[in-house]
Amino acid sequence: DAGITQSPRYKITETGRQVTLMCHQTWSHSYMFWYRQDLGHGLRLIYYSAAADITDKGEVPDGYVVSRSKTENFPLTLESATRSQTSVYFCASSPSGTVERPQHFGDGTRLSIL
Amino acid sequence: GESVGLHLPTLSVQEGDNSIINCAYSNSASDYFIWYKQESGKGPQFIIDIRSNMDKRQGQRVTVLLNKTVKHLSLQIAATQPGDSAVYFCAEPGGSNYKLTFGKGTLLTVNP
Repeated sequence: DAGITQSPRYKITETGRQVTLMCHQTWSHSYMFWYRQDLGHGLRLIYYSAAADITDKGEVPDGYVVSRSKTENFPLTLESATRSQTSVYFCASSPSGTVERPQHFGDGTRLSIL
Repeated sequence: GESVGLHLPTLSVQEGDNSIINCAYSNSASDYFIWYKQESGKGPQFIIDIRSNMDKRQGQRVTVLLNKTVKHLSLQIAATQPGDSAVYFCAEPGGSNYKLTFGKGTLLTVNP
């Protein structure tokens, strides 16, 4: 049971560069989510997707782009990275759009922008 | 705005003791709450949930208590083990079916 896999686990890049974080799940869950985790803020939702080709903004979407051409993949792209986007990024999936079906999280990507 | 918060940011206990992690919530309309555990270098992991029509729910070594009168939630861990060392988050629905509002977390450290 591979579950949900994020790659890379660690990434260092420079301001202004484009970087893509990958997320892959093997459960065929309909819903997928991207969060960022920062000290003092907890987990904040960036984008979510209800199904392939359906995405929508979360709480902090500015500076990020997502796509979902296949159910199992949900990449997150920072088109022009800024230092404020240094964070730990978590992908999650759920079989349902209701919060009562627990979201399953990946182990995160630690992103540092210099 | 509505938020979920925690009374204690850190908690240190001895192995074998019981642990209690607290959470205050401000949205009296919330009808569902979740506790997550996050170990170092890992993503959050679902522990237990509770609906607002319940006061108590028990899992394996964990119990969640809900006091709607004072809008307080607690997670009790019995016979705490070193493997329980982690950050614990409470979460509640954040205004949409899919959205969760997470608390900032409590770091639990278990001393051998």
